Amino acid sequence: ETGVTQTPRHLVMGMTNKKSLKCEQHLGHNAMYWYKQSAKKPLELMFVYNFKEQTENNSVPSRFSPECPNSSHLFLHLHTLQPEDSALYLCASSQDPRVPGELFFGEGSRLTVL
Amino acid sequence: DQQVKQNSPSLSVQEGRISILNCDYTNSMFDYFLWYKKYPAEGPTFLISISSIKDKNEDGRFTVFLNKSAKHLSLHIVPSQPGDSAVYFCAASALGTYKYIFGTGTRLKVLA
Repeated sequence: ETGVTQTPRHLVMGMTNKKSLKCEQHLGHNAMYWYKQSAKKPLELMFVYNFKEQTENNSVPSRFSPECPNSSHLFLHLHTLQPEDSALYLCASSQDPRVPGELFFGEGSRLTVL
Repeated sequence: DQQVKQNSPSLSVQEGRISILNCDYTNSMFDYFLWYKKYPAEGPTFLISISSIKDKNEDGRFTVFLNKSAKHLSLHIVPSQPGDSAVYFCAASALGTYKYIFGTGTRLKVLA
């Protein structure tokens, strides 16, 4: 596999469920990101990890919990979500976030919260 | 406050003509700009970028222009092709930060 892979592609969950989104990058990059895309809104940066260390938490509610066990894997743990959290969650990677360059995105995980 | 704005939510262009997509930003610290294309059910893919030390960057049919004084950039696609129909996002970043700030996107439809 190449690029950035996200699973699952689609997820439906109730407000009391706990689920996780997974992202894996095969590009040898050092930085990984979670973005949220809601309808008619810009992509919103949620978290940034650089060399497995979280460097950015963009005021994200604690019901979203990221985990980065190594530079190739990134998780987003979800619990007690709200219907307004329904969105497309995009994972991305880059070589080094301190040096502007291209972000490589996965295909996204479409989340629906009932 | 939205720091990166794409004021045209949609644009229709005839095949073979030029498509011009616009983007405005408010933060003068931004010094690197990117354009992404997104098809339905896919993640955004990188198209072209420009650093603030340049005012133009060209890659095949795609050219990005940067007007720093006006805090404005534009993406020109010429000639436009039906396969270019997608949503186009501009993004901006400041050196040394970890953030890429995206606009809301412009949906381009190229008519055959």
